[in-house]
Amino acid sequence: AQRVTQPEKLLSVFKGAPVELKCNYSYSGSPELFWYVQYSRQRLQLLLRHISRESIKGFTADLNKGETSFHLKKPFAQEEDSAMYYCALSVPSGAGSYQLTFGKGTKLSVIP
Amino acid sequence: KAGVTQTPRYLIKTRGQQVTLSCSPISGHRSVSWYQQTPGQGLQFLFEYFSETQRNKGNFPGRFSGRQFSNSRSEMNVSTLELGDSALYLCASSLGGPKETQYFGPGTRLLVL
Repeated sequence: AQRVTQPEKLLSVFKGAPVELKCNYSYSGSPELFWYVQYSRQRLQLLLRHISRESIKGFTADLNKGETSFHLKKPFAQEEDSAMYYCALSVPSGAGSYQLTFGKGTKLSVIP
Repeated sequence: KAGVTQTPRYLIKTRGQQVTLSCSPISGHRSVSWYQQTPGQGLQFLFEYFSETQRNKGNFPGRFSGRQFSNSRSEMNVSTLELGDSALYLCASSLGGPKETQYFGPGTRLLVL
C-alpha cells in the first residue's frame, strides 16, 4: 500500500533562513505528488504539484524517484510562510478513481 | 467561481446518534472526496464520488456512508456515532483525474459527547 511520511511534526526556522520540509513516499508505480498548505484559520489549499515543476511563493519541490522523496524547499523563509504543510500522493484506486494519501503534516514556524 | 462549501460548520451530537454532513462542490466539478482529520491520524480518506457513483472507499466501517446527487452535491452520513468519530470532516472537489487539484471546503467540526 502507498504511504507518505513527513518525519518532522514541527520545524522552526528564523526569518531569512532556508527551509526544507521533508517528504518520503512509498509507491511502486509512477507517483503524482502534491504539497498542500493550511494557513491559520484558512482551508487546506494546493501549494504546488510535481508535474507543474513551478515555483509558488518561492517554494519548489523536486521529485527524486531514487530516494522516493519530494522535499519542499525555500531559500529564504518569511513570517507569512508559517503554516501546516502536507505532502500528498495520488494513486489510482480502480474504476477510474484516484486516491490522495496524505502525510501527517509538518508545522512550519518562522521566527521573526 | 465560488469555492467548496460545507454545512453545517459545527455540530455536537451524542453517542448513538446519527449525523448527515453536506458538501457543495465547485461548479463543474464532478468528483467529491471526503476526509476525516484528527490530531492523531491526520487526514484519512473516507470515500470518493464521481457522477453519483462511489468510485473508491477508504478503510472505515460501514457506519460511514455517503451519496452524491445529480448536481454533484454530496452528503456523508455517520450512524451510531462513537466518541472516536469526533473530528474535522473535509470534503474536496475536483474534475476527477489523478493530476487534478483537489479543492477543499472549510470542513465540518463534529464533536461527539
